Amino acid sequence: KQEVTQIPAALSVPEGENLVLNCSFTDSAIYNLQWFRQDPGKGLTSLLLIQSSQREQTSGRLNASLDKSSGRSTLYIAASQPGDSATYLCAVPYNNAGNMLTFGGGTRLMVKP
Amino acid sequence: EAGVAQSPRYKIIEKRQSVAFWCNPISGHATLYWYQQILGQGPKLLIQFQNNGVVDDSQLPKDRFSAERLKGVDSTLKIQPAKLEDSAVYLCASSPHRGLNTEAFFGQGTRLTVV
Repeated sequence: KQEVTQIPAALSVPEGENLVLNCSFTDSAIYNLQWFRQDPGKGLTSLLLIQSSQREQTSGRLNASLDKSSGRSTLYIAASQPGDSATYLCAVPYNNAGNMLTFGGGTRLMVKP
Repeated sequence: EAGVAQSPRYKIIEKRQSVAFWCNPISGHATLYWYQQILGQGPKLLIQFQNNGVVDDSQLPKDRFSAERLKGVDSTLKIQPAKLEDSAVYLCASSPHRGLNTEAFFGQGTRLTVV
């Protein structure tokens, strides 16, 4: 059974810092990995989807990397801003048959002005 | 393009009562999912529909939870009777199809409090 873990559970940084969020998964036979953002009281917004054949994906100040063999992914946020404050979730397909997702517990990020 | 719509946004009920949540996916999306997100945790998949058929409901507590998508568009998730541990946000998501590497789009969720 696939298990997804995110460390740290919470993170507080001053504005402008570069930071790294970690995600690990137990079954390396995944087709993709997604990173989501969740604002309080809101649904999830997809940030990046990395296919298994890719090593990384970039969108603006966000860069996600994937190392299937070690069961790890990282989300790098450059020059953090208060508007980046949210919970960040990683997820992998539930059983590699479709797009049902198994999520990690999330990292709650606070960027202080 | 309109997103995934869910209602109500909030619901408070007493234990042993019943409750229903409604989801309208993005137009044309064949696949629909219901997730349960307990406070402080990541979402957990409850059920997946492809059009009006159930693809996977292995994590749905069928003694008290039920879901339907009769016409392959809107979906309803019901809990009867509710327990205290059902307090959570119920998220609906949709995607164009079931294929891998297909993005799922999430609604804002319904926050259920059982007292």
